Amino acid sequence: DSGVTQTPKHLITATGQRVTLRCSPRSGDLSVYWYQQSLDQGLQFLIQYYNGEERAKGNILERFSAQQFPDLHSELNLSSLELGDSALYFCASSGTGLVQETQYFGPGTRLLVL
Amino acid sequence: GQSLEQPSEVTAVEGAIVQINCTYQTSGFYGLSWYQQHDGGAPTFLSYNALDGLEETGRFSSFLSRSDSYGYLLLQELQMKDSASYFCALAGNNRKLIWGLGTSLAVNP
Repeated sequence: DSGVTQTPKHLITATGQRVTLRCSPRSGDLSVYWYQQSLDQGLQFLIQYYNGEERAKGNILERFSAQQFPDLHSELNLSSLELGDSALYFCASSGTGLVQETQYFGPGTRLLVL
Repeated sequence: GQSLEQPSEVTAVEGAIVQINCTYQTSGFYGLSWYQQHDGGAPTFLSYNALDGLEETGRFSSFLSRSDSYGYLLLQELQMKDSASYFCALAGNNRKLIWGLGTSLAVNP
């Protein structure tokens, strides 16, 4: 158990809909990262928040947005969903260091868009 | 830009030693990390090399050579439970982790 929690574990929805994925980082970790992993693909970095502020942006679509709240939990919002958005979405957290090479991953949310 | 390359698949037998290579292109970085991911599971951190040389953690070792733009993960005394995907990841100067596409390791009896 990494100490990172994600809800829900599974999500089935229809095209055009909007969903929110939630992540609680390990106690004391200030950084939260969001990743997308599609079938047979590696981890695609989406976005990073550090202590409530956006720190780095990866290949995140404009239909997707995220935020980190004062209690450090984070939410990833996916809107106007398309079939291709079906994937495993991971949240990870890390500590306060500048070089955050060690990330602790949550169990993921498996999203299926029908 | 930054990119990493690793083999897509590696096969080995129980008890053997296997090396998973990772070559990279980058203008600067802090270090190279390795993660393990079992099917359907979350990636878990294995090892990190900030400096050139070998880092050993039990049956797993990781190596980095900045002059050769190359690193590897060495798994010894392979066990069936080592069957998983292994990712190398570069901690870039822009603070992002850049991930390889992963190497699927199959350990056969």
